[in-house]
Amino acid sequence: SQQGEEDPQALSIQEGENATMNCSYKTSINNLQWYRQNSGRGLVHLILIRSNEREKHSGRLRVTLDTSKKSSSLLITASRAADTASYFCATGKGGSEKLVFGKGMKLTVNP
Amino acid sequence: NAGVMQNPRHLVRRRGQEARLRCSPMKGHSHVYWYRQLPEEGLKFMVYLQKENIIDESGMPKERFSAEFPKEGPSILRIQQVVRGDSAAYFCASSPPYDRAGYGYTFGSGTRLTVV
Repeated sequence: SQQGEEDPQALSIQEGENATMNCSYKTSINNLQWYRQNSGRGLVHLILIRSNEREKHSGRLRVTLDTSKKSSSLLITASRAADTASYFCATGKGGSEKLVFGKGMKLTVNP
Repeated sequence: NAGVMQNPRHLVRRRGQEARLRCSPMKGHSHVYWYRQLPEEGLKFMVYLQKENIIDESGMPKERFSAEFPKEGPSILRIQQVVRGDSAAYFCASSPPYDRAGYGYTFGSGTRLTVV
């Protein structure tokens, strides 16, 4: 299985602090994606990083990928209360094949 | 440009009844994926379809579950003779033929099925 596993499973921080979430996976991948899910809602795609990329930025998000360690990290800088959500990593083999999701990590940003 | 539309948002069924969940992908997206999410858990892949074709159904239970994506109309996930264990949120996602833009999937808001 190439299921991603997020670490930690839950994180509580104060507004303005940075939040770092880690994801590990087991098999070779073509890309790794991060999604956010607010309570009771669908998933929103945040960022995709391909296997030949090491780092990617999007606004306050920074994603790294280390294929040798089969791991990725998502950094949210200057967190806001609105960032409170569950975050999932998902791995894909490429093309339009299925994504395999981890169990998710719950982030709470306290105002 | 409407996103992925799922209906109904909430569905209550008695044990033994049938549940039909609908998903209309984003305009221009020809690939549809169904996922199931149990409370406090991640998403489990069920099935991947293109128009009139099931590409990968490795996550579908062998019995009672079926999916289709006809030439016209939405994709349908059908659960026959529902049991309490089928209670979950079912999400549909769509993607274009090739994810060259790197936008990932677009998810619908899900259908929350409750079996009583």
